[in-house]
Amino acid sequence: GESVGLHLPTLSVQEGDNSIINCAYSNSASDYFIWYKQESGKGPQFIIDIRSNMDKRQGQRVTVLLNKTVKHLSLQIAATQPGDSAVYFCAEINDSWGKLQFGAGTQVVVTP
Amino acid sequence: SQTIHQWPATLVQPVGSPLSLECTVEGTSNPNLYWYRQAAGRGLQLLFYSVGIGQISSEVPQNLSASRPQDRQFILSSKKLLLSDSGFYLCAWSTGDLREQYFGPGTRLTVT
Repeated sequence: GESVGLHLPTLSVQEGDNSIINCAYSNSASDYFIWYKQESGKGPQFIIDIRSNMDKRQGQRVTVLLNKTVKHLSLQIAATQPGDSAVYFCAEINDSWGKLQFGAGTQVVVTP
Repeated sequence: SQTIHQWPATLVQPVGSPLSLECTVEGTSNPNLYWYRQAAGRGLQLLFYSVGIGQISSEVPQNLSASRPQDRQFILSSKKLLLSDSGFYLCAWSTGDLREQYFGPGTRLTVT
């Protein structure tokens, strides 16, 4: 079936630099996307979401970009900090019920 | 504010033994509830979801079952554990007007 997937399994970023995490989705019917952050041994934490009628949304130090033409989603983290080290998942919803379909995840490692 | 609890945090069980994991949500009424499993270094697999008391839907055939005896209580069970049941089990909730899901701290299950 259609699915959400991530381009890079591991991303190494120097502290203070900006991070970009990419995600491809294949279901054009998806109308809502979420980014989650999961620290080791913990449950995923909601970061930011975006609806399909938007192409950009900003939060605190994070920006999500949605390109529906190429079915691509990205998460940008400004001034990456050691506390940003985690696995980041994108997820899509294409069901009015709200069932999430998760991608495989990207491990972000912040180096000093 | 809403909170979600899971217990136990970790569990080591022998093959063939029963299982009961509990999840409770506070601060909201009639939530949608979800059970996910996450293998090491992998994404999240939806196991069960519930839109109300006594209403359970299973996403994949498996050795596990779920029950919702109360509005804000979701239980994951097994009569006889298999080695393949090892993993990180996450409970999540959402409400009808929110599409994002909020996750509990998880239970690390090791079947030996």
